[in-house]
Amino acid sequence: GAVVSQHPSWVICKSGTSVKIECRSLDFQATTMFWYRQFPKQSLMLMATSNEGSKATYEQGVEKDKFLINHASLTLSTLTVTSAHPEDSSFYICSARGDRVYGEQYFGPGTRLTVT
Amino acid sequence: AQKITQTQPGMFVQEKEAVTLDCTYDTSDPSYGLFWYKQPSSGEMIFLIYQGSYDQQNATEGRYSLNFQKARKSANLVISASQLGDSAMYFCAMREVDRGQFYFGTGTSLTVIP
Repeated sequence: GAVVSQHPSWVICKSGTSVKIECRSLDFQATTMFWYRQFPKQSLMLMATSNEGSKATYEQGVEKDKFLINHASLTLSTLTVTSAHPEDSSFYICSARGDRVYGEQYFGPGTRLTVT
Repeated sequence: AQKITQTQPGMFVQEKEAVTLDCTYDTSDPSYGLFWYKQPSSGEMIFLIYQGSYDQQNATEGRYSLNFQKARKSANLVISASQLGDSAMYFCAMREVDRGQFYFGTGTSLTVIP
């Protein structure tokens, strides 16, 4: 299957600082990438859909000024958590859409963010 | 209304036995895809199997098969010959082609007992 990488795999930062998470599709071009957030023992919550070369589409309730998404190339999307607070601590997962007509998603390994 | 419903929060199965994880879905789109993902404790989401709404036959991938009953809107995952490494969370998901939305269920935690 397709490979999607995420970096870093875990990060600890201080409250008020910004953190950037990278998502790369390693062996295919992904025009669309997704960013999810997952709380312990819960399902994935879609935060935004990232399209290469255009602005991301955010889900209702997700602050676009706080979670900045940039999809600058067909293999790279970044999520920047600005002015992080402890409540932003979570597991963030990106995915890239495959090329089948029904668009299966291949997921990165996730990034565990802890804000102290 | 929930798009994807997984009614089994937790399941146990004896090693080498088969287990069925339930999933029902709700959509009015004629074209959609159904997916199952495995999430071990490490957190990564692993794609297991896919079924298209127009596929005539049930999908199979190794020990995984998808019991697709379109009229009942169910897409149950069957794992044959369970292994200890199968212990994980399993998520059912659906993508509606027209809307382009991707929906996840709440997941089922599977524990394989030696």
